[in-house]
Amino acid sequence: AQKVTQAQTEISVVEKEDVTLDCVYETRDTTYYLFWYKQPPSGELVFLIRRNSFDEQNEISGRYSWNFQKSTSSFNFTITASQVVDSAVYFCALSESSWGKLQFGAGTQVVVTP
Amino acid sequence: DVKVTQSSRYLVKRTGEKVFLECVQDMDHENMFWYRQDPGLGLRLIYFSYDVKMKEKGDIPEGYSVSREKKERFSLILESASTNQTSMYLCLSGGRGTEAFFGQGTRLTVV
Repeated sequence: AQKVTQAQTEISVVEKEDVTLDCVYETRDTTYYLFWYKQPPSGELVFLIRRNSFDEQNEISGRYSWNFQKSTSSFNFTITASQVVDSAVYFCALSESSWGKLQFGAGTQVVVTP
Repeated sequence: DVKVTQSSRYLVKRTGEKVFLECVQDMDHENMFWYRQDPGLGLRLIYFSYDVKMKEKGDIPEGYSVSREKKERFSLILESASTNQTSMYLCLSGGRGTEAFFGQGTRLTVV
């Protein structure tokens, strides 16, 4: 069963627009971790954030922000004032209590045009 | 600066060859993972290890084995490479209670 769902396959925006990427997860564990990664055209997967299930505070890092809502099992990611360099595939992942293996969503391709 | 290093960025091997992919991390992580990434199939877990000499099968272990003799090093072995193992291989270190970082990836082509 799909544990992490990223329903948006591709999002296209014009530079300076905001873009929100959805991530919905499924788990029965009370302790779990959520991650976001960025994969630019170069192919390397870059760690962006890790959030544990007990910390529902939203987080902001520069133009990036994350909204964690346990009530809806969602961990959404917003890029504010997008730039061409934000063009990449973004992956959401879930790590449950057993062994910590990360289960990834299918990814969302973000295309930012000038 | 944290580091996860994979031994090769690009690799070309012949069908039937035994192939070793190495991954080294300097973060003292217990957990290490090998994934492969293919277009349309996403990231799929091959094997993982949560301690030295310990290993667990992931979702697609067939045709692969692993070795973890030292905490910092996790090797993926293709016993007899086949063309359907042409893929991007990604090593991940960490997870569970820690941040988790990928290596730069190895793009393997089997001809």
